[in-house]
Amino acid sequence: GDSVTQMEGPVTLSEEAFLTINCTYTATGYPSLFWYVQYPGEGLQLLLKATKADDKGSNKGFEATYRKETTSFHLEKGSVQVSDSAVYFCALRAGNNRKLIWGLGTSLGVNP
Amino acid sequence: EPEVTQTPSHQVTQMGQEVILRCVPISNHLYFYWYRQILGQKVEFLVSFYNNEISEKSEIFDDQFSVERPDGSNFTLKIRSTKLEDSAMYFCASTFGGTGSQETQYFGPGTRLLVL
Repeated sequence: GDSVTQMEGPVTLSEEAFLTINCTYTATGYPSLFWYVQYPGEGLQLLLKATKADDKGSNKGFEATYRKETTSFHLEKGSVQVSDSAVYFCALRAGNNRKLIWGLGTSLGVNP
Repeated sequence: EPEVTQTPSHQVTQMGQEVILRCVPISNHLYFYWYRQILGQKVEFLVSFYNNEISEKSEIFDDQFSVERPDGSNFTLKIRSTKLEDSAMYFCASTFGGTGSQETQYFGPGTRLLVL
């Protein structure tokens, strides 16, 4: 069945460091791919998305490129801030199915 | 900016009791969802709801669960007889249901349910 695998956390970085959180997926057809973020005490917020191969989603300095050949959607940011400390979730929506299938989430802590 | 709201934020209940979790989706959205996240596990899809009926449900969503849209604004999840393993964060989401930007699911802040 469809699934999402994320790198395990927690990840701890210093401010201004480069961030990569790996995400790979298994799905039939051509899924839409999402990154959601959950800040402490808050709900799940859409960070970025890509709906077809080679699309790049971007928001708030974060980027992820839909790579069909490697079935990946890795999240990157060139220079993290303390305010980026949160849990990041990779998710997919496959074909006509409307439900989201989730990765385990990766906790990111950024130290000043 | 419109947002999905959920009440209560926390609920503690005794095993075997009924609980109702409430959600107010974004007003012009047509599809509604419930997900849950047991501590340390993945977020799991429970059910989707469209046009006043369930459009899809997972294996988790057994006869103990039900959903309802009792009026034009609320969307509820009822657990008839709670079990210890129902302890989780429950998220409500809604989407307009189209394609492109319209397919984005917007989530509420969640209800943390603890069954004792």
